[in-house]
Amino acid sequence: GAVVSQHPSRVICKSGTSVKIECRSLDFQATTMFWYRQFPKQSLMLMATSNEGSKATYEQGVEKDKFLINHASLTLSTLTVTSAHPEDSSFYICSATPRTSNSNQPQHFGDGTRLSIL
Amino acid sequence: AQTVTQSQPEMSVQEAETVTLSCTYDTSESNYYLFWYKQPPSRQMILVIRQEAYKQQNATENRFSVNFQKAAKSFSLKISDSQLGDTAMYFCAFITPNDYKLSFGAGTTVTVRA
Repeated sequence: GAVVSQHPSRVICKSGTSVKIECRSLDFQATTMFWYRQFPKQSLMLMATSNEGSKATYEQGVEKDKFLINHASLTLSTLTVTSAHPEDSSFYICSATPRTSNSNQPQHFGDGTRLSIL
Repeated sequence: AQTVTQSQPEMSVQEAETVTLSCTYDTSESNYYLFWYKQPPSRQMILVIRQEAYKQQNATENRFSVNFQKAAKSFSLKISDSQLGDTAMYFCAFITPNDYKLSFGAGTTVTVRA
């Protein structure tokens, strides 16, 4: 089945550091990838939609200068948390939709990245 | 805008018993797709089951089945013969053909007791 790889799975860093998270579709081309943020015991909150070859679309309230998204190829999207602070600590999950997918095909999720800012 | 409501924050079930999770949604679209995702303690998102709105027949995947009531905009999940490995948070999700964004409910935490 379709596989999405997300890396790293866990990162701990100091306040002020920028952190890059990668999301790769391993066996399909993904025109669109999604980035979510999840707090403990809460639902997934969509942060942005990443489109290959164009600018990401951010959800209301998400700072685009804080959360930089790059989707340079059909198999890779990156989320960079710039100048991270403790309030950015969270669980970040990506998902990808195959290029020829209809919307009845499910999004394929990465295993998530647990980000802890000290 | 689409909204998905899961009114049961937590549920507990004895092993081998049956549990039903409720989900309601609100949309003006006539064509859409519904999903149930499972998120175990590992936090990996796992697709459990999906339903196309134009199909009247309820979807079934082994021990998991849905009761899809389109007029009532209801999409409940039944887990039969519950197993310890079913312990997880379950999310109901909704998507329309015009918008590839998934709308998630708040989730229901299911605990299966031995």
